[in-house]
Parts: sequence; C-alpha cells; structure tokens
Amino acid sequence: DAGVIQSPRHEVTEMGQEVTLRCKPISGHDYLFWYRQTMMRGLELLIYFNNNVPIDDSGMPEDRFSAKMPNASFSTLKIQPSEPRDSAVYFCASNIPGLAGGRNEQFFGPGTRLTVL
Amino acid sequence: QQQVKQSPQSLIVQKGGIPIINCAYENTAFDYFPWYQQFPGKGPALLIAIRPDVSEKKEGRFTISFNKSAKQFSLHIMDSQPGDSATYFCAASSPGNKLVFGAGTILRVKS
Repeated sequence: DAGVIQSPRHEVTEMGQEVTLRCKPISGHDYLFWYRQTMMRGLELLIYFNNNVPIDDSGMPEDRFSAKMPNASFSTLKIQPSEPRDSAVYFCASNIPGLAGGRNEQFFGPGTRLTVL
Repeated sequence: QQQVKQSPQSLIVQKGGIPIINCAYENTAFDYFPWYQQFPGKGPALLIAIRPDVSEKKEGRFTISFNKSAKQFSLHIMDSQPGDSATYFCAASSPGNKLVFGAGTILRVKS
C-alpha cells in the first residue's frame, strides 16, 4: 500500500500567489483530514471530509483557505492569496474509524512544507 | 474550547531511562486517547492508544497510564533507545473521529 500521498513535498512561493496542495488518501478510507503544523501553534486540524463531504471546517483560518474533495481519491487545499504567515507544514491524513479493533488510527502523509516569501 | 495540555515541551534522557510525558484534558466527552510519534521530515504515526474503560495499556516498551477521575494520561517508554528520539503528541477525540492534539514533546535519548 502506497499510503497517503501528498504533492508537492516542498513549495516556495511569493506573497500573494495562489498555492494548491494535493492529497491522495489511502484507497477505501472514507475520512480525509487536512492539518497544519507550525512551531507556534503545533498540529491544527483545518478541515475534514467524510465520503467527500466537508464535515467540519471550523479550523480553516480565513476565507483565503479553501478545500475540496471532488472524489474519493483526491483532495486539494488552496490558499489564495498566500501570506508569509501561512508558512507551515501541511499534512493530509485519512482513516476508516472503527477499523482494526477501534484504533481509529489516522494515517498521515509525508506533508508539504510551504514557504511563503 | 476542546484542549489537551501536554508537558514537558522537551525531554532528554539517557539510554535505558524511562521518559514520561503527561497530558491533561477537560472535555469529559473524550473517549479515545492516542499517542502519535513523529520523526523529522515525516508525518505523525500512531504509536499506542487507550479508551477510558481501562487504566493502563502496554504495547512493547510503550505504556499508557490513564486516570479518568483526574482527566490525565501519560506515556512511559521503558528502556528508551536513541531510535526513540522523536516528537510525541498526545491526542483526544470524542465520538466523531476528530482529533485534538497536544502541543508535542521533543524527546532526545542520549546514547
């Protein structure tokens, strides 16, 4: 199994540019999560989907952030326009809750390191 | 505000020592308490998890101790090794599959 796939792994952009991060969850998983990790704020949940439908986007910081999941195997997180304070590592994770004896394990991708200059 | 408080921020132990990381929560609706391990440049990965109906769970060298009345839980790493050097996150969730993470503890095991 390839695990959760994220692209790009690194992104450097200039303030004001649009940034699109991509995620392919593990096949068969019906939940997908987007997290942001920074030294100051730790690991924050931005939004999550169930069966391609957004369930909770209360963690999305501003209207500049948007996320979509057009099908079960693909999701995007878009920042438009980007700002230096958006610099962080963005993780995508997926799971099937209740699998494997109720472990509710979330499987994380390798992350995208975003730098906004 | 759902929140999980984790301490210490960082920890250095000698090889073979027993690092202990502590977490506390307020929301009594939380019913699942996992610990995640993260190595530099990687995503977090589930290490061990517990539900509030038990007070302790062991998996290999890793043990979770859970105190429901105090709303606290902790991770113990027995016979710690340099390969255990990583960042450890506690987390909690209520029914709904949404995790709230602690701030993380950077562990260094000196050889």
